Amino acid sequence: EAGVAQSPRYKIIEKRQSVAFWCNPISGHATLYWYQQILGQGPKLLIQFQNNGVVDDSQLPKDRFSAERLKGVDSTLKIQPAKLEDSAVYLCASSLGGQPYGYTFGSGTRLTVV
Amino acid sequence: AQSVAQPEDQVNVAEGNPLTVKCTYSVSGNPYLFWYVQYPNRGLQFLLKYITGDNLVKGSYGFEAEFNKSQTSFHLKKPSALVSDSALYFCAVYNQAGTALIFGKGTTLSVSS
Repeated sequence: EAGVAQSPRYKIIEKRQSVAFWCNPISGHATLYWYQQILGQGPKLLIQFQNNGVVDDSQLPKDRFSAERLKGVDSTLKIQPAKLEDSAVYLCASSLGGQPYGYTFGSGTRLTVV
Repeated sequence: AQSVAQPEDQVNVAEGNPLTVKCTYSVSGNPYLFWYVQYPNRGLQFLLKYITGDNLVKGSYGFEAEFNKSQTSFHLKKPSALVSDSALYFCAVYNQAGTALIFGKGTTLSVSS
């Protein structure tokens, strides 16, 4: 089975610039998650989709972050404008949906804001 | 609110020795507990999970975890550590809505030869 695909793997941008990340989940997985992993911390949920609807975006900084999931498959996460504190690994994961299922994670996108 | 705690930032063991990575949890209701491992520049990989049933759960790569309800713990164990087990380990629990995982801060395991 193909895994969760993410791109790009690495991105370096200047503060106040914009950036977008892409995720393609495992086929058939209805639930898609974006997590932010800051160095030295555990992953923190940013947003969760069920098919193409948002289940939870309570921790998404909506003044600068946005996300969408087109046709319930691929998803993009955008940051505009970026701040230095946005430097992190952005992880996409997919799941059959809620407990008791685990997730399959992509390799992540490492963002450095300078 | 559901949460997990990993009290150790780093665990150091010699190859061939048993290893334990600690996790305690705080939940209302029945816990759904997970362990994931992260190798450098990689995403998180599933190791094992506890849903219900036997308190000793066996997972990938020879790892197992012991669920202890009275101590609210879910420690990860392996009888004989390998250098290749060196990585970052995360404990996780489902949120109260049962929709998303909440992760601990992680424990770095270093196995020396």
